[in-house]
Amino acid sequence: GDSVTQMEGPVTLSEEAFLTINCTYTATGYPSLFWYVQYPGEGLQLLLKATKADDKGSNKGFEATYRKETTSFHLEKGSVQVSDSAVYFCALTSISSGSARQLTFGSGTQLTVLP
Amino acid sequence: ETGVTQTPRHLVMGMTNKKSLKCEQHLGHNAMYWYKQSAKKPLELMFVYNFKEQTENNSVPSRFSPECPNSSHLFLHLHTLQPEDSALYLCASSQDLGLVGTGRNEQYFGPGTRLTVT
Repeated sequence: GDSVTQMEGPVTLSEEAFLTINCTYTATGYPSLFWYVQYPGEGLQLLLKATKADDKGSNKGFEATYRKETTSFHLEKGSVQVSDSAVYFCALTSISSGSARQLTFGSGTQLTVLP
Repeated sequence: ETGVTQTPRHLVMGMTNKKSLKCEQHLGHNAMYWYKQSAKKPLELMFVYNFKEQTENNSVPSRFSPECPNSSHLFLHLHTLQPEDSALYLCASSQDLGLVGTGRNEQYFGPGTRLTVT
């Protein structure tokens, strides 16, 4: 079945540091890939997405590139801010064996940015 | 109101109580979902509805009973819960399950209901 593997957290960075959160996946066919973010006390918000190989999703300074050859969708940001502190979830949807499948989530990575 | 709303935001209930969680989406979507988010565990999909019909039940215990009277509203009826059911319950909606795999079926989440079972 489909699965998503994220780097284990928590991740603690200083403000303006470079961020990478690794995400790899296994899926049948050609999945769509997503990053969601969950701020404290809130639900998940879609951060960015990519629907085909080599697509780059970007939003709020975050980027991720759909790499089919390495089955990866790593999240990056060049300069993090304290307000980026949150839990980040990598996710995918795919159609497998002719049946529609829902979002498959990774376990989440807690990011804390210190001033 | 915009997006996906959930009420109540916090709920404390005893094991013998009966309560309901409510979700409402104002996005014109046709698919709605219940998820359970427990500490240190991956997000668990519980139920899926598409055009008011239940399409998925991920082996959820019968003490959780969903209801979807129309495409905009989703309820989760709770009875005889256990302490291990304490979690954040998230509702989500998306345009249409038929769009899965197209990249246009992203889900929009509500803020969740923090449930504590005592």
